[in-house]
Amino acid sequence: GAGVSQSPRYKVAKRGQDVALRCDPISGHVSLFWYQQALGQGPEFLTYFQNEAQLDKSGLPSDRFFAERPEGSVSTLKIQRTQQEDSAVYLCASSKQTSGYEQYFGPGTRLTVT
Amino acid sequence: GQQLNQSPQSMFIQEGEDVSMNCTSSSIFNTWLWYKQDPGEGPVLLIALYKAGELTSNGRLTAQFGITRKDSFLNISASIPSDVGIYFCAGGRESSGSRLTFGEGTQLTVNP
Repeated sequence: GAGVSQSPRYKVAKRGQDVALRCDPISGHVSLFWYQQALGQGPEFLTYFQNEAQLDKSGLPSDRFFAERPEGSVSTLKIQRTQQEDSAVYLCASSKQTSGYEQYFGPGTRLTVT
Repeated sequence: GQQLNQSPQSMFIQEGEDVSMNCTSSSIFNTWLWYKQDPGEGPVLLIALYKAGELTSNGRLTAQFGITRKDSFLNISASIPSDVGIYFCAGGRESSGSRLTFGEGTQLTVNP
């Protein structure tokens, strides 16, 4: 398809487990973003890549969160030792511009930590 | 945390009515965007605004970038049932790089 895709769409993890969330951006899009959306809230920025370079990771809530985009295309958001407060929808977005405010979002991965 | 205040939080209207919602901030943004999110989906970009005072339309949607650069407005004319969803404003500014700051959303319900 032409849009941003994310997998899995739903993930249930026991507290303490590690999880990996995948994002396939729109082909050719330079910039890739991860956002976290709590129930009833707007998305909150986590981190941003331009090609393979992670230019801003100031929104990552703790050192348990790690993101990578090794070849400048697919990205993975990894959460280690999950906690209940990590339960949220994780949204990926991509933009074709290097300073891309026009961001196109995927459907998200709903993470539930039990 | 969120820096954009959206109002109203929710709206219940009849099909065919016009709708207005707004977004304000204590800080200046140099780009404003409006997104719509349906349940279980990601936000969909509706309109992007880049210049203070700019008025931009996309079909029945019209958005304005406030002159002070601290607010934006979205109007939907002649609402239809598929307008139901949550509308988010988002702001971008150079000092924050390419990240967007989102409001908390306006939940719109349209009664047929």
